[in-house]
Amino acid sequence: DAKTTQPTSMDCAEGRAANLPCNHSTISGNEYVYWYRQIHSQGPQYIIHGLKNNETNEMASLIITEDRKSSTLILPHATLRDTAVYYCIVRVATGYGGSQGNLIFGKGTKLSVKP
Amino acid sequence: KAGVTQTPRYLIKTRGQQVTLSCSPISGHRSVSWYQQTPGQGLQFLFEYFSETQRNKGNFPGRFSGRQFSNSRSEMNVSTLELGDSALYLCASSLQREGNEQFFGPGTRLTVL
Repeated sequence: DAKTTQPTSMDCAEGRAANLPCNHSTISGNEYVYWYRQIHSQGPQYIIHGLKNNETNEMASLIITEDRKSSTLILPHATLRDTAVYYCIVRVATGYGGSQGNLIFGKGTKLSVKP
Repeated sequence: KAGVTQTPRYLIKTRGQQVTLSCSPISGHRSVSWYQQTPGQGLQFLFEYFSETQRNKGNFPGRFSGRQFSNSRSEMNVSTLELGDSALYLCASSLQREGNEQFFGPGTRLTVL
């Protein structure tokens, strides 16, 4: 079973920030938080990941609470092309030579960006 | 840099047949994982390969198997196909390092009639 809890769906106005929450209250110290999204019938697309510090890249920002029990993915200026299912995943990674830890996908949050 | 490629993109088979799907990882990526996506079960992990060795396996019957070649390309095979095997099969590749992200291909859509 997925170790994360996400809202089933969210709406966001085009041009506004989309804030997608995720609860992972049982996260272990060596587990990372990953975000992926899947646009209809395509392969999942990696967005961002973090261990305990906030992270930002060209796509999004990831805010992880100090106790690491929850996180928020922020799309700063949502566009219609950001409409997708967003998955929050926690994953153990053991490093070189070992298993990378499979991704356990839950049902994700269906984000609808509206004009 | 080219992304993960999967062939074929679409496939139609009948029950009882077998099928082989192919995945070419991103250049330099040596870890390959396979996932199955169905409307009912969502995205589920099948197996992971690194250096031609299976490192991790999901909860699927033995009809599902895979292998990895020395150039990191991977294949998965499903024998004795069942209607329930109809799904989108996704391959993901990653570098072998702590916390590294997986990059997915477009998938192979398998339909079993």
